[in-house]
Amino acid sequence: EVQLLESGGGLVQPGGSLRLSCAASGFTFSSYAMSWVRQAPGKGLEWVSAISSSGDSTFYADSVKGRFTISRDNSKNTLYLQMNSLRAEDTAVYYCAKVLGGSHSFDAFDIWGQGTMVTVSS
Amino acid sequence: QLVLTQSPSASASLGASVKLTCTLSSGHSSYAIAWHQQQPEKGPRYLMKLNSDGSHSKGDGIPDRFSGSSSGAERYLTISSLQSEDEADYYCQTWGTGMVFGGGTKLTVL
Repeated sequence: EVQLLESGGGLVQPGGSLRLSCAASGFTFSSYAMSWVRQAPGKGLEWVSAISSSGDSTFYADSVKGRFTISRDNSKNTLYLQMNSLRAEDTAVYYCAKVLGGSHSFDAFDIWGQGTMVTVSS
Repeated sequence: QLVLTQSPSASASLGASVKLTCTLSSGHSSYAIAWHQQQPEKGPRYLMKLNSDGSHSKGDGIPDRFSGSSSGAERYLTISSLQSEDEADYYCQTWGTGMVFGGGTKLTVL
């Protein structure tokens, strides 16, 4: 079964850091680009960051550029999101998502995780 | 700028059909999109990838009741024989130099 399982969410103070993980199974992880997408409470979906299948190329939304870092370990089938200098507006459920086309960093998302909640508050 | 526009809400009766619309911004009418469903308190679920010519490829296990079509810059999701579990938020997604989501349409099944 193709599956993505996020972890690492929690409560953090403004200015703090958190590292999210996404464990992949059921497909050849190293062949597909991946992304992080977030959803603030009661709001729509917002793309956060993407990484190519090899990890050589990374992309960020303007709202997180310079604060968040996406990475992956293909030997562990795991995607990461290092979040620094967190703000209240980063409060959201964070989803990892698999990209449909193996050779493209950007394409339809065809597999979603169940999400992990990040709350930034003092 | 690549933007997707969706109506905030839609409603239809149980057993009826509904057609949701996602509009691509000017100059982007050739772009493909994807449709995703998000049921209450759940993560998103991929429904289909929809090309500008109306061809589409659905995700695993997506019922035949869900279909897609295109006209110019408009991308449509049609759900027939509406069931109560179809009550959800529906998002369109596209991509260029980044990923873009529409604001979502909340579908109410009456």
